[in-house]
Amino acid sequence: SQQGEEDPQALSIQEGENATMNCSYKTSINNLQWYRQNSGRGLVHLILIRSNEREKHSGRLRVTLDTSKKSSSLLITASRAADTASYFCATVEETSGSRLTFGEGTQLTVNP
Amino acid sequence: EAGVAQSPRYKIIEKRQSVAFWCNPISGHATLYWYQQILGQGPKLLIQFQNNGVVDDSQLPKDRFSAERLKGVDSTLKIQPAKLEDSAVYLCASRKTGTYGYTFGSGTRLTVV
Repeated sequence: SQQGEEDPQALSIQEGENATMNCSYKTSINNLQWYRQNSGRGLVHLILIRSNEREKHSGRLRVTLDTSKKSSSLLITASRAADTASYFCATVEETSGSRLTFGEGTQLTVNP
Repeated sequence: EAGVAQSPRYKIIEKRQSVAFWCNPISGHATLYWYQQILGQGPKLLIQFQNNGVVDDSQLPKDRFSAERLKGVDSTLKIQPAKLEDSAVYLCASRKTGTYGYTFGSGTRLTVV
């Protein structure tokens, strides 16, 4: 079963703008991860945030986690056309060991 | 380091035929996963191996799907017989013990006609 729900399902912005994607989940988690998938390719790990962390940065990526609301957001600043891809949040539940459960994803299109 | 290798890249078969996918994880990664990704959806876990043992196959349709990782390295996933709804991308991923991030292969796109 899918753990996360992502919002929006699709997002279209202009180059240089910021893109924000949200993810909600249902159970207690150990950590939450974001992955990117270019069309027809595998998933690439972007960033991991642990349940005791509230915010994390990596380059142009900023991830927040609110465990009380069971939600996370991914912010991509100064977007580029090359950022066009599907973005998935995935959770490792406290009771699942290392198993990743993915959401349905957000399709981001960055227009030049 | 080399990534996760998968083959074939694409496969088209008729329903009721059988098909097999192959995965070579990153060297030294003890944990290997097979995911099914239907178009427009997120990946769904089919099976997880730790070395050559099955850790989780609760979502594997065992009447038609099977997987093995005999020597704790390469893995194969088989579907027999295939149904139309098996059309999807089959993704293999591996993970190094002590870390949480997965490394995915490029996947095998299966079309059942």
